[in-house]
Amino acid sequence: RKEVEQDPGPFNVPEGATVAFNCTYSNSASQSFFWYRQDCRKEPKLLMSVYSSGNEDGRFTAQLNRASQYISLLIRDSKLSDSATYLCVVITYNFNKFYFGSGTKLNVKP
Amino acid sequence: DGGITQSPKYLFRKEGQNVTLSCEQNLNHDAMYWYRQDPGQGLRLIYYSQIVNDFQKGDIAEGYSVSREKKESFPLTVTSAQKNPTAFYLCASSMGTVEAFFGQGTRLTVV
Repeated sequence: RKEVEQDPGPFNVPEGATVAFNCTYSNSASQSFFWYRQDCRKEPKLLMSVYSSGNEDGRFTAQLNRASQYISLLIRDSKLSDSATYLCVVITYNFNKFYFGSGTKLNVKP
Repeated sequence: DGGITQSPKYLFRKEGQNVTLSCEQNLNHDAMYWYRQDPGQGLRLIYYSQIVNDFQKGDIAEGYSVSREKKESFPLTVTSAQKNPTAFYLCASSMGTVEAFFGQGTRLTVV
């Protein structure tokens, strides 16, 4: 079983739409959670960390559900520039490794 | 400017040849990582190092080797034993588990 699994993509949405991605993780000892964004043929870059209480950054909201072992990313009022692949990342302290999901591709259409 | 630098950006390897990918960081990070990404797939961990002169195998270490003689440097050698080396290779560094910073990647192609 993979450490981290994400929604299959691609998600094709019109500008202004709200879109949500989910990600599940298998290790209950996982302690840190992130969403990264990766543009085509580029390196991943941190979008936001995910905290137990949930957190918001502008149009982006991330939430963590430890009981069900999943994290989510909500994007409101989608922009063309949001088109990218979104990677879910989980860290387990005892192994201190970053586990990446396979990514969910988002295409925002005019 | 602080950052992590990978070179070269593009690399072509002949069958049976070993090649070394460079990764240098000036962020004073203890941990460094090598990932492989295939088209349409996520990142898979090859090797990681938490401290100088120490490193551990990741999930797909076969056919690869690394060294960590200096804190700033974590080169990856793709050996002839790696049967399908064509991929996008990403190096990252982190201070603990706060955030991983990535280099711009090396695209390796077997010709």
